[in-house]
Amino acid sequence: GDSVTQMEGPVTLSEEAFLTINCTYTATGYPSLFWYVQYPGEGLQLLLKATKADDKGSNKGFEATYRKETTSFHLEKGSVQVSDSAVYFCALSNGGGGNKLTFGTGTQLKVEL
Amino acid sequence: EAQVTQNPRYLITVTGKKLTVTCSQNMNHEYMSWYRQDPGLGLRQIYYSMNVEVTDKGDVPEGYKVSRKEKRNFPLILESPSPNQTSLYFCASTLYSPRDGNEQFFGPGTRLTVL
Repeated sequence: GDSVTQMEGPVTLSEEAFLTINCTYTATGYPSLFWYVQYPGEGLQLLLKATKADDKGSNKGFEATYRKETTSFHLEKGSVQVSDSAVYFCALSNGGGGNKLTFGTGTQLKVEL
Repeated sequence: EAQVTQNPRYLITVTGKKLTVTCSQNMNHEYMSWYRQDPGLGLRQIYYSMNVEVTDKGDVPEGYKVSRKEKRNFPLILESPSPNQTSLYFCASTLYSPRDGNEQFFGPGTRLTVL
């Protein structure tokens, strides 16, 4: 079945540091790929998405490129802020029941001054 | 405002006492799902519904029931809760739209503790 693997956290960075959170996937066909973010005490919010190979999703300074050849969708940001502290989930949608999302285990990011 | 609402947000109960977590969306979405979030496991789908009176099992349905009598509502029912159902639960809805990558909209979560 489909699966998503993302790097384990927690990741601790200083403000203005460069961020990379690795995500790789296993799926048949051509899934859509997503990054969701969960701020403390809140639900999940869509951060960015890509629906086909070589698409780049971007939002709030975050970027991720859909790489079919490496089955990856790594999340990057050039300069993180304290307000970016949250849990980040990589996910895919591959036409499963109810447009099911298959999630990675989540990566906690903590940004310090 | 487009949103998914859940109630209650927090619930502490005892083993075997039936409970219902409500979920409602105001976006006229066809598809709704329930997920549970556990440390080290991410989110896993419990049940989903593709329309009124159409529901089906997700990946971890044991111990749960759902119903979809109205398009906007999708309650999660635990008829005899057990401690292994202690978790954070999310309701989600989506409009079937392959071109948009099937974006899901999530509720704020319900933290359930079963003693």
